[in-house]
Amino acid sequence: EAQVTQNPRYLITVTGKKLTVTCSQNMNHEYMSWYRQDPGLGLRQIYYSMNVEVTDKGDVPEGYKVSRKEKRNFPLILESPSPNQTSLYFCASSSSPPGLAGGSLTDTQYFGPGTRLTVL
Amino acid sequence: AQSVTQPDIHITVSEGASLELRCNYSYGATPYLFWYVQSPGQGLQLLLKYFSGDTLVQGIKGFEAEFKRSQSSFNLRKPSVHWSDAAEYFCAAFTGGGNKLTFGTGTQLKVEL
Repeated sequence: EAQVTQNPRYLITVTGKKLTVTCSQNMNHEYMSWYRQDPGLGLRQIYYSMNVEVTDKGDVPEGYKVSRKEKRNFPLILESPSPNQTSLYFCASSSSPPGLAGGSLTDTQYFGPGTRLTVL
Repeated sequence: AQSVTQPDIHITVSEGASLELRCNYSYGATPYLFWYVQSPGQGLQLLLKYFSGDTLVQGIKGFEAEFKRSQSSFNLRKPSVHWSDAAEYFCAAFTGGGNKLTFGTGTQLKVEL
């Protein structure tokens, strides 16, 4: 079954304690991204990766790091979490960037189930 | 600045009634456009997308959307809503630069039985 998995699903932590949220996909997708969802703001992209060792900033990258050492995994790292990073986080993957010209018209971006993070 | 606007935060419809969710975009060129649905506690699922060509796009679950360049709109419609359609709906746009989707703020749909 094609899927994107995230762990943990729920996390409560304290300010300054480093954490990692893992994301893994089993579809051999090249493109992966992280979003945060906040009430009234919709989803905002944090980082994305076009392929292994290729990552770039999205709209709200401050306070986050990512790495892409293997095609299937794209962890999100919060080196020193702060309360304003309390949010619902989604990982997503697709074989190509969501609207890349020339990409398959049937390609779709698969989303993980989400990780609800609370930073106290 | 490039943006996607969903003017309705909440919409309530009766089961069996028709539905239209509004989406407007502000881009220099026509972006690629998407509608996603998020059921409670779930991730996002793609309903439909517009790249080019026919301006009326059919999606899953009986949804369709119409692209209107003159109005910079991409409204989502369904002729007869089912109780299971209650969810949050997001419009999104993609342009070649940046390789990223920009989402609207979402519309929460409530269906009254």
